[in-house]
Amino acid sequence: NAGVTQTPKFQVLKTGQSMTLQCAQDMNHEYMSWYRQDPGMGLRLIHYSVGAGITDQGEVPNGYNVSRSTTEDFPLRLLSAAPSQTSVYFCASSYGPGPPAYEQYFGPGTRLTVT
Amino acid sequence: TQLLEQSPQFLSIQEGENLTVYCNSSSVFSSLQWYRQEPGEGPVLLVTVVTGGEVKKLKRLTFQFGDARKDSSLHITAAQPGDTGLYLCAGADNQGGKLIFGQGTELSVKP
Repeated sequence: NAGVTQTPKFQVLKTGQSMTLQCAQDMNHEYMSWYRQDPGMGLRLIHYSVGAGITDQGEVPNGYNVSRSTTEDFPLRLLSAAPSQTSVYFCASSYGPGPPAYEQYFGPGTRLTVT
Repeated sequence: TQLLEQSPQFLSIQEGENLTVYCNSSSVFSSLQWYRQEPGEGPVLLVTVVTGGEVKKLKRLTFQFGDARKDSSLHITAAQPGDTGLYLCAGADNQGGKLIFGQGTELSVKP
């Protein structure tokens, strides 16, 4: 199993550009999430999905869109990039609610810089 | 809004020393997890604690969940350079589906 994969690993965007961060998992997990990690702030939840066709907002959803058409894939779209979106983005998956299902499996991350 | 406060944020110690990292909240969590993250990689789960007062040991690491399920601690005995990394606690909210992360503790163990 590849686990959780993310592409690209690094990306530089200009302000106003849009892009999609890709995330895929091969563990047949129902739950998938996107986090951003900034220095001194831990991981903050952007959007999450409890199954194909179902998504919900996390703590910091503004400026990001998601969709979940299959169990395996959960792309994150930046609509119009801003310097405040410079961060490291992690995708994660888990079996579902309730321990141990909350245990998250993380991808390797995408380091995004917006100039 | 549920918050998790981790302390200390930074810790630099010599090999062989003991240390404790704390994770505190005013909210009750249904379970609490500890992750370790190395530079350039995603966090990796170390342990999940579920029951108030629960203690789990993983070699030299001891994890404890507070009786009221509002706080947790991670104790490392005889730290080694390989323990260096970012340690994150994360609480599962009671509504299902979401984890709330603490800010992290950056640990550096010098040989």
